[in-house]
Amino acid sequence: GDQVEQSPSALSLHEGTGSALRCNFTTTMRAVQWFRKNSRGSLINLFYLASGTKENGRLKSAFDSKERYSTLHIRDAQLEDSGTYFCAAETGGYKVVFGSGTRLLVSP
Amino acid sequence: NAGVIQTPRHKVTGKGQEATLWCEPISGHSAVFWYRQTIVQGLEFLTYFRNQAPIDDSGMPKERFSAQMPNQSHSTLKIQSTQPQDSAVYLCASSTGGQDTQYFGPGTRLLVL
Repeated sequence: GDQVEQSPSALSLHEGTGSALRCNFTTTMRAVQWFRKNSRGSLINLFYLASGTKENGRLKSAFDSKERYSTLHIRDAQLEDSGTYFCAAETGGYKVVFGSGTRLLVSP
Repeated sequence: NAGVIQTPRHKVTGKGQEATLWCEPISGHSAVFWYRQTIVQGLEFLTYFRNQAPIDDSGMPKERFSAQMPNQSHSTLKIQSTQPQDSAVYLCASSTGGQDTQYFGPGTRLLVL
């Protein structure tokens, strides 16, 4: 079936540094959404992309449907960025397939 | 805008009891989705309503699980004869359409003892 491979599964960053999360798709996806799960367990919307890139503050996301991947870049990481990040891809209809999550820990 | 509201936030039931989970979508959203999150399976799609009509319940376990949307302001997920393996966080999301950004509620953490 449709699958989303998300990497890395865990990531440690020092404050002020940056890195990228990636989701690879086994098939062509219509759109991708990125979430952060906060300490209370709520899924917070970060980005929704049908193509191209979007930027919001220190976060930037890109989605290439043809190449079957999406990325989430975090720069100048802050302590409050810690949490679990998920990508979720729309399969062409309405179904959403989730990645397994990336647990990010930002330390001083 | 209060966002998607889910109640209760936590529920503990004994094996064999019934559990009903509630979701209130964002006002004006016509699509409601239910998901389940477990450590083993991650986030799984369960079912989807559009304008209160059930569109796809292919992710729902065949037995004991049912979902309804009696009006545009709430949807329920009912689990009969709950089993320990039903323990999970159940998430509800709504969107303006089936192919638009989904906004998630805080989830209901169900624990079946």
